[in-house]
Amino acid sequence: AQSVTQPDIHITVSEGASLELRCNYSYGATPYLFWYVQSPGQGLQLLLKYFSGDTLVQGIKGFEAEFKRSQSSFNLRKPSVHWSDAAEYFCAVAFTGGGNKLTFGTGTQLKVEL
Amino acid sequence: GAGVSQSPSNKVTEKGKDVELRCDPISGHTALYWYRQSLGQGLEFLIYFQGNSAPDKSGLPSDRFSAERTGGSVSTLTIQRTQQEDSAVYLCASSLRPGAGGTEAFFGQGTRLTVV
Repeated sequence: AQSVTQPDIHITVSEGASLELRCNYSYGATPYLFWYVQSPGQGLQLLLKYFSGDTLVQGIKGFEAEFKRSQSSFNLRKPSVHWSDAAEYFCAVAFTGGGNKLTFGTGTQLKVEL
Repeated sequence: GAGVSQSPSNKVTEKGKDVELRCDPISGHTALYWYRQSLGQGLEFLIYFQGNSAPDKSGLPSDRFSAERTGGSVSTLTIQRTQQEDSAVYLCASSLRPGAGGTEAFFGQGTRLTVV
């Protein structure tokens, strides 16, 4: 069965610092890959997605992610974090033919220090 | 509507009672999903509807859980004889028909269910 691992439960960064959130997946083929963000009391908002093609994908709010097949990873990055980026971030995968059912990682809670 | 709408936003119920949670997907979206978000289990897939096809119920945790989708639009998730472990946020999402390239799922704000 497919699975998603986000090894960092909590991350704290200073405003203006760079950010990298890790995501590894386990699946027999290349899945569809997503990063979602959830602010307190809010639903999930899609930051970016990877289906095929260029392995570096750009998303909203200045985020990007790189798909590395050899490492089964899809890490999320941002060069300069803003205080408003404090939220919980979820990596998710869906497999072809599965109707886009998402399997989520356990999430990474990001705290931004001013 | 502009987005996925869920009601109620909060629901407190007594153990053993039945509850119904409602989801209004984005107009024109043929795919509808229910997920559950809880402290111990994270985000879990529950059920998936696509058009008139039989739903994928593979994520429903027990036979106390059921869902229907009327007219290919509004969906209701029903939990019978609620238990304390059912306490969670129930999220609904919708998307255009998943194709070869995949499509984005748009999520509602969720219904926070508390079983006391």
